Amino acid sequence: SAVISQKPSRDICQRGTSLTIQCQVDSQVTMMFWYRQQPGQSLTLIATANQGSEATYESGFVIDKFPISRPNLTFSTLTVSNMSPEDSSIYLCSVEGPGKNIQYFGAGTRLSVL
Amino acid sequence: GNSVTQMEGPVTLSEEAFLTINCTYTATGYPSLFWYVQYPGEGLQLLLKATKADDKGSNKGFEATYRKETTSFHLEKGSVQVSDSAVYFCALTYGGATNKLIFGTGTLLAVQP
Repeated sequence: SAVISQKPSRDICQRGTSLTIQCQVDSQVTMMFWYRQQPGQSLTLIATANQGSEATYESGFVIDKFPISRPNLTFSTLTVSNMSPEDSSIYLCSVEGPGKNIQYFGAGTRLSVL
Repeated sequence: GNSVTQMEGPVTLSEEAFLTINCTYTATGYPSLFWYVQYPGEGLQLLLKATKADDKGSNKGFEATYRKETTSFHLEKGSVQVSDSAVYFCALTYGGATNKLIFGTGTLLAVQP
């Protein structure tokens, strides 16, 4: 399995500001994923991040709002830009594990936007 | 499109009670099915999985059987413990290069002593 560390674990931000969330993995992985879990809803995939290429965004998510970096095989960041209260969610990163079709998740970042 | 529907919570049980959390899916082709668990303050952990029809996934006393005829993957445990209190997510992946997971809304289980 993979051990994933996310920072920060939670934050309270003002409208119009940006927050960068970090995801560190204890092993080299090809694919990293970013999810959003809005209050009372299921996890929704934001984007897939491969090292050395631009992230691939799902429908409804754009790079200007959620820029992602993937500088190496153990690290990625997700930025939530120009935040509004609707961005209040839990953001989780995950990695594809050595087992087929298995993903391992970080503990998440709980974001509240005032 | 692909989707997962699971029973709404919260589910409140007494210790040693029998647990069932229903999960049904809609998918084209032959998805793999998963149950993930999220304990308070922690990330999602894979609980069990099944990759083809009639497969039974099991772990920590939990079981789920991949039923293609009813497109279901219900989670069961014969005797729950207080330590099983968590949020349980049913999910599927339709494979491909990125192994994207589609989740249900999650079911909160609260086990009382």
